[in-house]
Amino acid sequence: GDSVTQMEGPVTLSEEAFLTINCTYTATGYPSLFWYVQYPGEGLQLLLKATKADDKGSNKGFEATYRKETTSFHLEKGSVQVSDSAVYFCALSPYNTDKLIFGTGTRLQVFP
Amino acid sequence: DTAVSQTPKYLVTQMGNDKSIKCEQNLGHDTMYWYKQDSKKFLKIMFSYNNKELIINETVPNRFSPKSPDKAHLNLHINSLELGDSAVYFCASSRTGANTEAFFGQGTRLTVV
Repeated sequence: GDSVTQMEGPVTLSEEAFLTINCTYTATGYPSLFWYVQYPGEGLQLLLKATKADDKGSNKGFEATYRKETTSFHLEKGSVQVSDSAVYFCALSPYNTDKLIFGTGTRLQVFP
Repeated sequence: DTAVSQTPKYLVTQMGNDKSIKCEQNLGHDTMYWYKQDSKKFLKIMFSYNNKELIINETVPNRFSPKSPDKAHLNLHINSLELGDSAVYFCASSRTGANTEAFFGQGTRLTVV
């Protein structure tokens, strides 16, 4: 079945460091890909998405590119802030459905 | 205004009890969901409803029964609670159709003792 694999955390960085969180997926057809973020004590919020191969999603300095050849959707940010500390979830939505299949989440901790 | 609201935020109850979690969305969405997040933060879909009709039931035990009185509400009733039901339950909603953004509530932390 369809699935998402994320790197295990926690990822611990100093402020202004470069961030990469790896995400790969397994799916039939052409899924849509998402990154959601969960701040402490809150629900999930959509961070960015991409709906077809080679699309780049971007928001708040975060970027991810839909790579069909490597079945990947890695999240990157050039300079993280303390306020970026949260749990980040990679997810896919199988073709022509509206359900989300999530990875296990990666906790990011940014220190000043 | 809160887009997707769940009540209660915390729920502590004994094994064997029956409890309900309520969810309401004011976004005008047609599709609503329940997701379960376990102690390791793993999130898995339980149900989805579209216009009050059940669309997805991901092999959830029969003790879990969703109810959608109208398309703005999707409640979750759980019978005979077990220790393994302890988790955070998230309600979400979206417009109908693929690739649309899901909006999540703040979650209900259920603890069964």
